[in-house]
Amino acid sequence: SQQGEEDPQALSIQEGENATMNCSYKTSINNLQWYRQNSGRGLVHLILIRSNEREKHSGRLRVTLDTSKKSSSLLITASRAADTASYFCATDARGGADGLTFGKGTHLIIQP
Amino acid sequence: DVKVTQSSRYLVKRTGEKVFLECVQDMDHENMFWYRQDPGLGLRLIYFSYDVKMKEKGDIPEGYSVSREKKERFSLILESASTNQTSMYLCASSLLLGGGLGPGNTIYFGEGSWLTVV
Repeated sequence: SQQGEEDPQALSIQEGENATMNCSYKTSINNLQWYRQNSGRGLVHLILIRSNEREKHSGRLRVTLDTSKKSSSLLITASRAADTASYFCATDARGGADGLTFGKGTHLIIQP
Repeated sequence: DVKVTQSSRYLVKRTGEKVFLECVQDMDHENMFWYRQDPGLGLRLIYFSYDVKMKEKGDIPEGYSVSREKKERFSLILESASTNQTSMYLCASSLLLGGGLGPGNTIYFGEGSWLTVV
């Protein structure tokens, strides 16, 4: 079963606006990560937030984690056309070496 | 930069054929993974390996097997391809980390292999 569920499934905004995507998960985690996937390509790691962290920034990315609600959000500020991609959250609820569990993704479209 | 290379980007195979998908990573990572990605289902873990000659089943191992004879190479095998195995297959690798701490279980993905079974 899927651990992470992203919301919304699809999001279309104008270039320059901020984009917010949410992720909910079911079990306790060690960390949560966000990945980006351009159409037909592999996934690229964006940012990781540990279970004892509440907020993390990286460039135009801001991630929050609320372990009490088992949810995370990814904010992309000042969006660009090149941000058009699918975004996935992933958790390592398995506890270490045996892979991450991915959600189904949010497809983000930035309108120029 | 970490590089994970999948040997075939696009394959078309017939039902019943044996299919090999090869993956090589160049960063001496212990862990390697095979996922498949389908519309509406996201990524699902098929098999993973945390050492040479070691393998573990993921969420959907049925119809697949794997081989890890060398640390840098992880092969996914479809013994008898079926149409429901038409999908995008993603290989990935990461460092072996205990407890999910440290720099994090960041996974590095290959570009994917599109397999169509007809």
